[in-house]
Amino acid sequence: DGGITQSPKYLFRKEGQNVTLSCEQNLNHDAMYWYRQDPGQGLRLIYYSQIVNDFQKGDIAEGYSVSREKKESFPLTVTSAQKNPTAFYLCASSIRGRNTGELFFGEGSRLTVL
Amino acid sequence: GQQVMQIPQYQHVQEGEDFTTYCNSSTTLSNIQWYKQRPGGHPVFLIQLVKSGEVKKQKRLTFQFGEAKKNSSLHITATQTTDVGTYFCAGNQGGKLIFGQGTELSVKP
Repeated sequence: DGGITQSPKYLFRKEGQNVTLSCEQNLNHDAMYWYRQDPGQGLRLIYYSQIVNDFQKGDIAEGYSVSREKKESFPLTVTSAQKNPTAFYLCASSIRGRNTGELFFGEGSRLTVL
Repeated sequence: GQQVMQIPQYQHVQEGEDFTTYCNSSTTLSNIQWYKQRPGGHPVFLIQLVKSGEVKKQKRLTFQFGEAKKNSSLHITATQTTDVGTYFCAGNQGGKLIFGQGTELSVKP
């Protein structure tokens, strides 16, 4: 079945460590996104990519980095510079560029900093 | 800054009662989307509204887009326990998708 796969589902990290969250899609979608979700808040955009080898910062990009070397993959690195990294991270994709259609979400990765 | 306000934040209803959540934007929206997130799950797309005054129905769910394209609502008739979850609107403001804070619905059987 087509879809978006995020891994790991749960991740624990010590302060000062970088961690990379994986996001893979086999929907042949051009655009991919990373969102952060905190309790009682809506989804906030971290980074997005509309095409391979290109990506743009979202509203809360500080302390995060991404790459888009393949159409199917859009990994997110949470760096030690991110001051409050504990959150639920959601990867999404859409057929075309931003905001031209529905977003398909992965199941999410829950990161806890110890 | 760009915001889409969504109210209420929480709603507790008895099974069979109706439920409504509202979204408001200070600026005109190109379109608005609605998503449902079950507890412990991920958001799932419900619908997109594009036209001024548009009304769409999906079984017991009715979605409306305001005439000025600045507000929207989701109404559920006769809630069921399967309706439990958080409902998010996401408004397109100048090419940018802005999510509301969500309304968490709980249904008491």
